[in-house]
Amino acid sequence: ETGVTQTPRHLVMGMTNKKSLKCEQHLGHNAMYWYKQSAKKPLELMFVYNFKEQTENNSVPSRFSPECPNSSHLFLHLHTLQPEDSALYLCASSQQPNYGYTFGSGTRLTVV
Amino acid sequence: GQQLNQSPQSMFIQEGEDVSMNCTSSSIFNTWLWYKQDPGEGPVLLIALYKAGELTSNGRLTAQFGITRKDSFLNISASIPSDVGIYFCAGQLNGGSQGNLIFGKGTKLSVKP
Repeated sequence: ETGVTQTPRHLVMGMTNKKSLKCEQHLGHNAMYWYKQSAKKPLELMFVYNFKEQTENNSVPSRFSPECPNSSHLFLHLHTLQPEDSALYLCASSQQPNYGYTFGSGTRLTVV
Repeated sequence: GQQLNQSPQSMFIQEGEDVSMNCTSSSIFNTWLWYKQDPGEGPVLLIALYKAGELTSNGRLTAQFGITRKDSFLNISASIPSDVGIYFCAGQLNGGSQGNLIFGKGTKLSVKP
């Protein structure tokens, strides 16, 4: 596979569930990102990992917990989410300090 | 925080028409990027601009990095139905935390009924 792969593509979960989103990049990039995309809002940066180290946490609630075990994989662990957390969650990677992110296709999350 | 003002928010196109959209910012950026997002997919990079005044084309798409480094525009010539989607501008400063992309809210392109 090439590019950035996200699984699952769709996820429906209850507010008491625990689930994880997975992202894998096959580009040899050294930085990975989680973004949240809600209707009629700009893309919201959630977390940034450079060389597996978290360099940014954009005031994201603790019910979202990222994990970056190596430079190719990124997870977003979810627990006790709220309905307003329903959104498209996008993973991206880049080769810092160069520019231009490559995005995955996203996970459409619905919290019921 | 930093914001990008992207306009228009939405527009309708008729096949063959030229399309123009732009982004402005109160901040200076070192890089401007234009992405397109199709329904159910992630954004795909269309054009990257690295120098003030730079004009770059990608097929029927042309984008320019404003001289002031605070704006950029994207033009689509002779639009076709597959051009529909949401177009995002993004600005980037230097490396580190400032190297993260700032996105506009997007311009939604639809076909005229």
